[in-house]
Amino acid sequence: NAGVTQTPKFQVLKTGQSMTLQCAQDMNHEYMSWYRQDPGMGLRLIHYSVGAGITDQGEVPNGYNVSRSTTEDFPLRLLSAAPSQTSVYFCASSRSGFWDNQPQHFGDGTRLSIL
Amino acid sequence: QQQVKQSPQSLIVQKGGISIINCAYENTAFDYFPWYQQFPGKGPALLIAIRPDVSEKKEGRFTISFNKSAKQFSLHIMDSQPGDSATYFCAASKDQAGTALIFGKGTTLSVSS
Repeated sequence: NAGVTQTPKFQVLKTGQSMTLQCAQDMNHEYMSWYRQDPGMGLRLIHYSVGAGITDQGEVPNGYNVSRSTTEDFPLRLLSAAPSQTSVYFCASSRSGFWDNQPQHFGDGTRLSIL
Repeated sequence: QQQVKQSPQSLIVQKGGISIINCAYENTAFDYFPWYQQFPGKGPALLIAIRPDVSEKKEGRFTISFNKSAKQFSLHIMDSQPGDSATYFCAASKDQAGTALIFGKGTTLSVSS
């Protein structure tokens, strides 16, 4: 089992460029989420999905789009990159319902720099 | 408005000592309170979690204490070890699967030998 796989691991963009951060999970988890982590800010929720075809906004959704066409994949799109979006991005997945001590599994992150 | 407040920002503890990290939340709709541990270059990993109908949960050297009336919860690491040196995050979710987690800002723990 690979768990949660994020690609790429590192990326440098220029302001105004667009790109898609990929996230895939092989655990058949219904729920998936995207977070960004900035120094001193903890992790902040960008978007999440409770199943294929269903997405919702988190704390900091502006400038990002998501879609969930399959259970396995949950890509995050930056429409027009801005320096403020320089961050480490984490994708996570979990099962539906309450599973004691088994909720979110995190990927190892995508480190994104926008010049 | 910060929904989950975590303190202290950093903590230095001697090997064998007790590490205590505190969190407070505002939203009474939160129904699930996990703690995550993160090492440099890695994603957060679940350490221990609690639901609001329980006042304390212990797993090995790690204990969560939960005070529903005060809207506070804390992580205690007993017999702290150098390998515990990491960043710890408390979080809260309205969803018992922990889908949409709201995180505290983190505590960097250093355990000196």
